[in-house]
Amino acid sequence: DAGVTQSPTHLIKTRGQQVTLRCSPISGHKSVSWYQQVLGQGPQFIFQYYEKEERGRGNFPDRFSARQFPNYSSELNVNALLLGDSALYLCASSLFSGYYGQYFGPGTRLTVT
Amino acid sequence: ELKVEQNPLFLSMQEGKNYTIYCNYSTTSDRLYWYRQDPGKSLESLFVLLSNGAVKQEGRLMASLDTKARLSTLHITAAVHDLSATYFCAVDSDQAGTALIFGKGTTLSVSS
Repeated sequence: DAGVTQSPTHLIKTRGQQVTLRCSPISGHKSVSWYQQVLGQGPQFIFQYYEKEERGRGNFPDRFSARQFPNYSSELNVNALLLGDSALYLCASSLFSGYYGQYFGPGTRLTVT
Repeated sequence: ELKVEQNPLFLSMQEGKNYTIYCNYSTTSDRLYWYRQDPGKSLESLFVLLSNGAVKQEGRLMASLDTKARLSTLHITAAVHDLSATYFCAVDSDQAGTALIFGKGTTLSVSS
């Protein structure tokens, strides 16, 4: 079975631009979470979606938004990019909200110049 | 404020030696996770500890959980170069859902 997939793998954007990152969960998983990992730090929770509804939000500005589609895939949008948004963005899927098993995708490396 | 603290943050080991990484946390979660991350890669799940006293072993790694002390340990036995990576512990957030709170990670370097 395919694991969690994310696209694109790498992305370079300019300050002030907008970016959309995509994630497809493991088949049968209904919960998707997004994390930001700045170089040298642990991942920071951004959002969790379950059954197309937001179930949790981390301490990130409103420039960050996300949604989940009927097929349980998800998009993370970041507006008005700042240099500090440069990071590895990880998507994790789990069977359902609150389930202990989370599986991480390969990540999208975003560089803001 | 929810905190997950790992120590040490950097660990340089010789092959064949033993060492322990410590993870202290402040949430009320009874579940703790250990992940491994290789440079430029994603997170690989190593252990899921679901209750007080849980102990799990895989190869040269053994993880344990003491929920009363809010402490988990990752013990490395007879280190080999292939274990060089960054190790993260994480706990469930007190929020609903599956948000994880991660430590800063322990970067392990094993040399001969």
